[in-house]
Amino acid sequence: NAGVTQTPKFRILKIGQSMTLQCTQDMNHNYMYWYRQDPGMGLKLIYYSVGAGITDKGEVPNGYNVSRSTTEDFPLRLELAAPSQTSVYFCASSPADNYGYTFGSGTRLTVV
Amino acid sequence: AQTVTQSQPEMSVQEAETVTLSCTYDTSESDYYLFWYKQPPSRQMILVIRQEAYKQQNATENRFSVNFQKAAKSFSLKISDSQLGDAAMYFCAFGNNDMRFGAGTRLTVKP
Repeated sequence: NAGVTQTPKFRILKIGQSMTLQCTQDMNHNYMYWYRQDPGMGLKLIYYSVGAGITDKGEVPNGYNVSRSTTEDFPLRLELAAPSQTSVYFCASSPADNYGYTFGSGTRLTVV
Repeated sequence: AQTVTQSQPEMSVQEAETVTLSCTYDTSESDYYLFWYKQPPSRQMILVIRQEAYKQQNATENRFSVNFQKAAKSFSLKISDSQLGDAAMYFCAFGNNDMRFGAGTRLTVKP
C-alpha cells in the first residue's frame, strides 16, 4: 500500500526560485492537506482541499499555491522562494473530515 | 479562533511505567473530534488515537487511552506499560477541515 507519496524528500532552493512539491494518494480520499512544520513546532495548515476542483486557504497560505485537478494529486507550488519557507512540508489525506489523517513522509526544503 | 496547547515540551518515563501527556484546546463548537499523533525520529506522522466529542466514553487503543474532559476542554493521553518504541514527539490535534496541532511533547523512555 503506497498511501500518501510525497516527492522529493529533500530539496535545496535558492532565494527567488520556484518549485512544486508533489503529493499523490491512492486511497481515493476526498480530503487532502498541506502542512508545514518548523523546527520544534507543531504543524501549520497551508492549504486544503475537500475534493477535486475545490481548494481553501489554511493558517499560512502566503507564498504558496495549490491545485486539485484529480482526486489523487494535490501539488503545492512555491513561487519566489524565501528563507522563511525553509521547513518540512507534509501532505496528508483523509476519507472525510474528522476521520484522522494519513500523512506522507514529508519533504525537507531549505531555501538559501 | 481554535487553539491547541500542549504545556509540556518534554516528558520522561521509565520503561514499563505509565505517563500522561496533557493537552487543552479552545473552541466555541459543540461537536468536534480530537486526535493524538506520534512522530518518531523517522519524521512519519502516525495517528495514535481519536476521540469524538459527543461520546462520553474515553477512547482506548491497546496501551494508549485518553482522558477527555469536555467541560474543561482537556484531552490528555495516557501511555501504559511504556516501551522504548514509544519515544517520539506527540502532537495533540483538534478541528474539522482545518485541523490545528499543538506544539508537541517530546517523550523520552528510559530503559
